[in-house]
Amino acid sequence: GQSLEQPSEVTAVEGAIVQINCTYQTSGFYGLSWYQQHDGGAPTFLSYNGLDGLEETGRFSSFLSRSDSYGYLLLQELQMKDSASYFCAVTQDDKIIFGKGTRLHILP
Amino acid sequence: DTAVSQTPKYLVTQMGNDKSIKCEQNLGHDTMYWYKQDSKKFLKIMFSYNNKELIINETVPNRFSPKSPDKAHLNLHINSLELGDSAVYFCASSRGAGNQPQHFGDGTRLSIL
Repeated sequence: GQSLEQPSEVTAVEGAIVQINCTYQTSGFYGLSWYQQHDGGAPTFLSYNGLDGLEETGRFSSFLSRSDSYGYLLLQELQMKDSASYFCAVTQDDKIIFGKGTRLHILP
Repeated sequence: DTAVSQTPKYLVTQMGNDKSIKCEQNLGHDTMYWYKQDSKKFLKIMFSYNNKELIINETVPNRFSPKSPDKAHLNLHINSLELGDSAVYFCASSRGAGNQPQHFGDGTRLSIL
């Protein structure tokens, strides 16, 4: 089977940095993706890590360690608009399995 | 110019009815998906089609039947709706299966009375 673990909620302050962790157990692992979903909206793709290391896209970075079955999403210079749910997702064979999501609350 | 569009956006109906949700993508993608997101925000894959061929069929009651008339369309028909079917259903597409970024439609909010 497969499982993904990520915190259900994280709170941070505007302008700060926050890290959302994700650990996984799955067979046939290809890579780790991150998606953002605002309330009432659709999930939108943020990043993909197929190899170990850090991928940076603007204020967002994502990291993967395949040996540790672990990854994280790092959000810098937090803005109020970053308040959303963040899902890690593993690519297993031909499909993507989503974690249960981390609700990010941002305080002014 | 919407990349992945699904209709209707809202669907309110009674238990026992049959309903359909339509999805179209204009991205030229080969792979399309249906996901169900429940009230706890858990996003679960239901079906995936690649070039009109079913490649993923997760443990879904056979009351749910997807149909892909061409690779740009993937519709979902649901028979004998039950209370537990209340959820948001998302259609998505990607260039290929697996690790390609998925582009989601805005969702169809299905409420069963």
